[in-house]
Amino acid sequence: NAGVTQTPKFQVLKTGQSMTLQCAQDMNHNSMYWYRQDPGMGLRLIYYSASEGTTDKGEVPNGYNVSRLNKREFSLRLESAAPSQTSVYFCASSPRDRGSYEQYFGPGTRLTVT
Amino acid sequence: GQQLNQSPQSMFIQEGEDVSMNCTSSSIFNTWLWYKQDPGEGPVLLIALYKAGELTSNGRLTAQFGITRKDSFLNISASIPSDVGIYFCAGRDSNYQLIWGAGTKLIIKP
Repeated sequence: NAGVTQTPKFQVLKTGQSMTLQCAQDMNHNSMYWYRQDPGMGLRLIYYSASEGTTDKGEVPNGYNVSRLNKREFSLRLESAAPSQTSVYFCASSPRDRGSYEQYFGPGTRLTVT
Repeated sequence: GQQLNQSPQSMFIQEGEDVSMNCTSSSIFNTWLWYKQDPGEGPVLLIALYKAGELTSNGRLTAQFGITRKDSFLNISASIPSDVGIYFCAGRDSNYQLIWGAGTKLIIKP
């Protein structure tokens, strides 16, 4: 099992460019999440998908869109990148059933917007 | 909104020392999770706690779910160099969302 995989690992964008961050999990988990992590700060939730076919906004959704393509895949799109979106982005998944809310994380995508 | 305070923000440790950190919240949580993040990696789950008063160990790590359900503690005994990193707590609220602490950074004393 690969767990949670993310691509790309690193990306540099110019202001106004768009890109999609990809995430996939092979643990048959119901829920998937996108977080951003800024220096010296904890994790902030951007969007989540409690189950296939549903998505909801988290704490900091502005400037982002998501797609839950199927049970395995959850992508994050930046339509018009801004320097304030320079961050490390983590995808996570969770079984979120039978009382289990543990989240398992991918290795992250380090994004710089110039 | 809900707040989760994690302390200390950072601490210097000497190999062999015991380490303690804690998280407190302004509201009741139903689950507490403790994670460790190494540089350049994603957070890794260390311990999950599901019942008030629960005490759970994972090797040299021990975590407790506070009786009030508003706090949790993580202890590391006899620290070793590979313990350095950032430790995060997270609590599940009544809306089934995880609220994250800002992290405790463990640094080795030179």
